[in-house]
Amino acid sequence: NAGVTQTPKFRVLKTGQSMTLLCAQDMNHEYMYWYRQDPGMGLRLIHYSVGEGTTAKGEVPDGYNVSRLKKQNFLLGLESAAPSQTSVYFCASRGTAGANVLTFGAGSRLTVL
Amino acid sequence: AQSVAQPEDQVNVAEGNPLTVKCTYSVSGNPYLFWYVQYPNRGLQFLLKYITGDNLVKGSYGFEAEFNKSQTSFHLKKPSALVSDSALYFCAVRAIYNDMRFGAGTRLTVKP
Repeated sequence: NAGVTQTPKFRVLKTGQSMTLLCAQDMNHEYMYWYRQDPGMGLRLIHYSVGEGTTAKGEVPDGYNVSRLKKQNFLLGLESAAPSQTSVYFCASRGTAGANVLTFGAGSRLTVL
Repeated sequence: AQSVAQPEDQVNVAEGNPLTVKCTYSVSGNPYLFWYVQYPNRGLQFLLKYITGDNLVKGSYGFEAEFNKSQTSFHLKKPSALVSDSALYFCAVRAIYNDMRFGAGTRLTVKP
């Protein structure tokens, strides 16, 4: 009964390095989301997906790419990390009913030096 | 686009007193409104939601929220606060395009 699992939980990068955050859900949810959480700014939507093979931009998509090759996985990539991308990243998913709530992962803390 | 405002960064209450955490929203059409709570080093957990119907919504852990369409507000309330309610609370709204927008969060501190 894992729900939403994010890996890794912690990562330190140097400016310019690349990395991928993995989000996996075992609830057969159609929709998946990536948010970043910064002090005083709440959660801001980076990208989201409404189904396998689809992705869409959120509020703050620049500097990130995503892929949803399998329904259960949603990957967030940073091609060239910048200090401004230091943040805590949360993945979430939900089912297809209009008012379904989001189920969140535990978060991934990324530091870019 | 939809948006949410939480006007208070911090709310402090004494244990046993009622608490209110404020939220206002902006959305085209009828909103789906949510409250989530975040404990330290954890992901967000769902508390309650408003879809339609009764303006007073009851949720987990004794929390409730009142939807006010004319004031475009969805304030979170609890009649008697507990120390264990201390956490970060987020209001969220969803309308079209399948994405959920969150407020900046309000840190609730309940003192013994």
